[in-house]
Amino acid sequence: SSELTQDPAVSVALGQTITITCQGDTLRSFYASWYQHKPGQAPLLVVYAKNNRPSGIPDRFSGSRSGNTASLTITGAQAEDEADYYCNSRDTSHNHWVFGGGTKVTVL
Amino acid sequence: EAQLVQSGAEVKKSGESLKISCKDSGYSFDSHWIGWVRQMPGKGLEYMGIIYPGDSDTRYSPSFQGQVTISADKSISTVYLQWSSLKASDTAMYYCARQIAVVIEKTAGYAFDVWGQGTMVTVSS
Repeated sequence: SSELTQDPAVSVALGQTITITCQGDTLRSFYASWYQHKPGQAPLLVVYAKNNRPSGIPDRFSGSRSGNTASLTITGAQAEDEADYYCNSRDTSHNHWVFGGGTKVTVL
Repeated sequence: EAQLVQSGAEVKKSGESLKISCKDSGYSFDSHWIGWVRQMPGKGLEYMGIIYPGDSDTRYSPSFQGQVTISADKSISTVYLQWSSLKASDTAMYYCARQIAVVIEKTAGYAFDVWGQGTMVTVSS
């Protein structure tokens, strides 16, 4: 399958924990990567592979995988975490990559 | 520090050709794959294709095969995305991004870790 499915929108209270999921058959074979995208900015890699964070990404961002589902967890969400989040992974049937539809995260 | 710098915004008319660029500064350009990503107004990110500048090996998403051409000139550390005949539906923000790959517990993971600032392409009919 070449599709990655994400919930369109979720909300979280300031300081609480939120988990965003990404589902797709390809996730049984490859890890996902996660991107934060704010208006007027380039996407920012926040988590990749098993649970790797690039330098500078706060440790409140973490990733996991189970079966065909990858998850991004924000523990203690901050106002600045309000953004669109996208997962990405390699497609198993073709030699290319695919993004999920994105999840809009609102911090209340 | 790795950095990708894209060419500036473009305003074109339907049927015109266009080539936008993505220039590396600060890392070994021809040892990483570089991808292109589209974001149409109000829509999500879409993977378009990817190129290895070291030998110009190029792969396209099926959705973009035949619609665009990705190329590279490693002598000037630059990757390109071009259209031969633009359509109004090509109006979008285009990003280039460097891809990294890791293997953990026998499972591969890929990520676009460095992104260009984006090039806005506006096509009027």
